[in-house]
Order: sequence, then C-alpha cells, then structure tokens
Amino acid sequence: NAGVTQTPKFRVLKTGQSMTLLCAQDMNHEYMYWYRQDPGMGLRLIHYSVGEGTTAKGEVPDGYNVSRLKKQNFLLGLESAAPSQTSVYFCASRPGLSTGELFFGEGSRLTVL
Amino acid sequence: SQQGEEDPQALSIQEGENATMNCSYKTSINNLQWYRQNSGRGLVHLILIRSNEREKHSGRLRVTLDTSKKSSSLLITASRAADTASYFCATDSSYGNNRLAFGKGNQVVVIP
Repeated sequence: NAGVTQTPKFRVLKTGQSMTLLCAQDMNHEYMYWYRQDPGMGLRLIHYSVGEGTTAKGEVPDGYNVSRLKKQNFLLGLESAAPSQTSVYFCASRPGLSTGELFFGEGSRLTVL
Repeated sequence: SQQGEEDPQALSIQEGENATMNCSYKTSINNLQWYRQNSGRGLVHLILIRSNEREKHSGRLRVTLDTSKKSSSLLITASRAADTASYFCATDSSYGNNRLAFGKGNQVVVIP
C-alpha cells in the first residue's frame, strides 16, 4: 500500500518555465490537498479538492493551477515559475471531512532560479 | 490566515525529560490535530482531539484542549532521541470549509 505518492521529488526550474507536480493516492480518498512549506511559515494551503472534478482555492493560490480528473490523482501546475515559488510542496489526502486525519506524501522540493 | 500558532518555536531537552508545546487558534473548531515531521520527510499524524474533549492520551503523548481559551498543548513524556522532529498543530474549522489550517511548527531536539 503506497499511500500518497508525489512525483517528482526534486526539480530545478528556470524563471518562466512550466511544470506539473503529480500526487497519487491509492486509498480511495475523497479529499486531496496541496500545501507549500517555507522556513518559518509552516504549511500554507494552495488548492484543494473535495472530489473528482472539483477544485477550490486555498490561502495562497496565485501562480498555481490544479486539476482532479481522476479521483486518485491531484495535479499542481505552475504555468510560469517564479523564484518566490521555490519551496517544498506537500500533497495530502483524507477519506472525508468527518475523519479528520490527513495522510501526507514525502514532499517535492522545487527550486526556481 | 494561519489558525495554529505553536509556542515555543524551538525546544532542546535531554533524553528522558518531558517536552511541552502549546498551540493557540482563533476561530471555532471541530477538532485539533498534532502532526510530527522528521527532517526532510512528510508530516505524520499523531493525535486528534475533538472540540468536546478536554484531554486525550496516546502512548507517551498527552494532548489537552481548552476551547474557552482557544488553545491546546502537546506533552511528550520521557522523551527519546527519536522524538527529535518538528511538531505542528492543525485546526479543522467548524465552519465546514473542508481544510486544515497549520501552525508554524515547533522544532524539538532531544539530546541523547
């Protein structure tokens, strides 16, 4: 049982390039989330999804887009990367609202030069 | 905006000692959760306490919740070197917005 898998684990981009981070979960969870973690800032929610085909903005959505075409996958896209998007990105999922606990991936470290 | 705010931010203790961390939040919650993050790894859920609970135990962990003060504490008893990690509180709002808000985290170093 893999849980939550993020790819890639590391990536270096140049300013203006685009890329997509993939999150896959094999637990049949309804809710999926993308967070970014920066030193001294804790985790900040970028976008989230409460089911296949649905997405919603979190607290820091600007510069990112997401898609949830399949229940098990949640994609985070950067259309035109900026140095301010250098961060560690975490995907998380949970079965539904009432269960509470989040299951996290191991993170994707992105550097934008 | 972040709901959880842990205090203190960094803690260094000797193995065998107890470690206490606090978290405050601003709005009404359904539950409050604590997570651990080892260096370079993802977060791992430790314990969840619901808004109608005041105290909860799990192994060497003890969590308290005071909804009147909008605060929680996490106590790790008889700490071990393996407890060295960052600890985050997260609040699940009662406004039903389907998301957890995380605090900035406490770094705990347990010296063998």
